[in-house]
Amino acid sequence: GAVVSQHPSWVICKSGTSVKIECRSLDFQATTMFWYRQFPKQSLMLMATSNEGSKATYEQGVEKDKFLINHASLTLSTLTVTSAHPEDSSFYICSAPSAGAIGNTIYFGEGSWLTVV
Amino acid sequence: ELKVEQNPLFLSMQEGKNYTIYCNYSTTSDRLYWYRQDPGKSLESLFVLLSNGAVKQEGRLMASLDTKARLSTLHITAAVHDLSATYFCAVDKNRDDKIIFGKGTRLHILP
Repeated sequence: GAVVSQHPSWVICKSGTSVKIECRSLDFQATTMFWYRQFPKQSLMLMATSNEGSKATYEQGVEKDKFLINHASLTLSTLTVTSAHPEDSSFYICSAPSAGAIGNTIYFGEGSWLTVV
Repeated sequence: ELKVEQNPLFLSMQEGKNYTIYCNYSTTSDRLYWYRQDPGKSLESLFVLLSNGAVKQEGRLMASLDTKARLSTLHITAAVHDLSATYFCAVDKNRDDKIIFGKGTRLHILP
């Protein structure tokens, strides 16, 4: 079945550096993907909608210059956390809809743990 | 703005008991999702409910949707320890695959 893959699964970076997380749809094309952030023992918060070939749409309160999203192909969206700080440490999850006979099925990636030290 | 509220947020129950988790949402929608999340893992899709009156069952879990009341329930029958996890409901308001999550219900089933 359809799978959405994220890479890396976990990453540790130093404060002030940038880190990129990839989200790939492995056997379907996705013109839209979504990025969520989840802090420990909290819910998933929608950060932005990644749009293939155009700018991402950010949710209120999410800094677009800090969380750069690029959706350069129909199977890949990337999230770059720029100038990372310890408070950016979180679990980042992407999702992608796959078209089906009775509507889209939404698939979630395995998630990426980011720790900023 | 869409708000999705779950209750209870934490539930500790004995094996063999039945219980229901409630999910209320604030605006009209006919697309509701239930997910399970184990510690440190991503989401596992449990149910997708796409119409008023929809009811789906898988094993000891059953989900229903009442779009008029803006309410979904996740019912657990004869709970077993393996069902311990966090359960999220999520709503797609505009049919654009952008889903908003409730706060989650942490379910702890005591052996």
